Amino acid sequence: DAGVIQSPRHEVTEMGQEVTLRCKPISGHDYLFWYRQTMMRGLELLIYFNNNVPIDDSGMPEDRFSAKMPNASFSTLKIQPSEPRDSAVYFCASSLPPGSQETQYFGPGTRLLVL
Amino acid sequence: DAKTTQPPSMDCAEGRAANLPCNHSTISGNEYVYWYRQIHSQGPQYIIHGLKNNETNEMASLIITEDRKSSTLILPHATLRDTAVYYCIVSLRSNDYKLSFGAGTTVTVRA
Repeated sequence: DAGVIQSPRHEVTEMGQEVTLRCKPISGHDYLFWYRQTMMRGLELLIYFNNNVPIDDSGMPEDRFSAKMPNASFSTLKIQPSEPRDSAVYFCASSLPPGSQETQYFGPGTRLLVL
Repeated sequence: DAKTTQPPSMDCAEGRAANLPCNHSTISGNEYVYWYRQIHSQGPQYIIHGLKNNETNEMASLIITEDRKSSTLILPHATLRDTAVYYCIVSLRSNDYKLSFGAGTTVTVRA
């Protein structure tokens, strides 16, 4: 298996532009997580899905952020409009249900820089 | 979820065992202890987890005290590739589980 795939790996954009981050989870994994990592705040959970349904989005910082999972093999995290403070590394992770396997598998991350 | 306390950093000599402590004094009876690590510029990687018994896998051993208020992750023979930030996380194992990452311990393995 190729693991969790994220694209793009690097993104540089200007303030006010729309940014879309993409994630392909490991096949067969029911859970998908979006995290954000910054020096100031560390690694934070933004939102997670179970069977394509958003379960908890309490970590989404504000309405400028939205996430979707139209099918079991694809998810997007969109920022519109982007701001310099959104600069961070965004990780996607996937896992099987708790009780079957405990591991969350993380992708390589997308490094976002908003100028 | 219960909070954890880890030392901010530690050094280890290559080939020696690395013992990483974690305090979780407010852990509840149904919360598990998970360890992940993050090598520079990569996503976090699962290492091991446990409830109350000691656990061992190909990567590490996890020792949990009898009162479950603290634990130690042991890397038996540290290599330079083990240099990373190590996160100790306490989380419920239920239908929906979330991992709350703290600051972790930055482990530097020196030749």
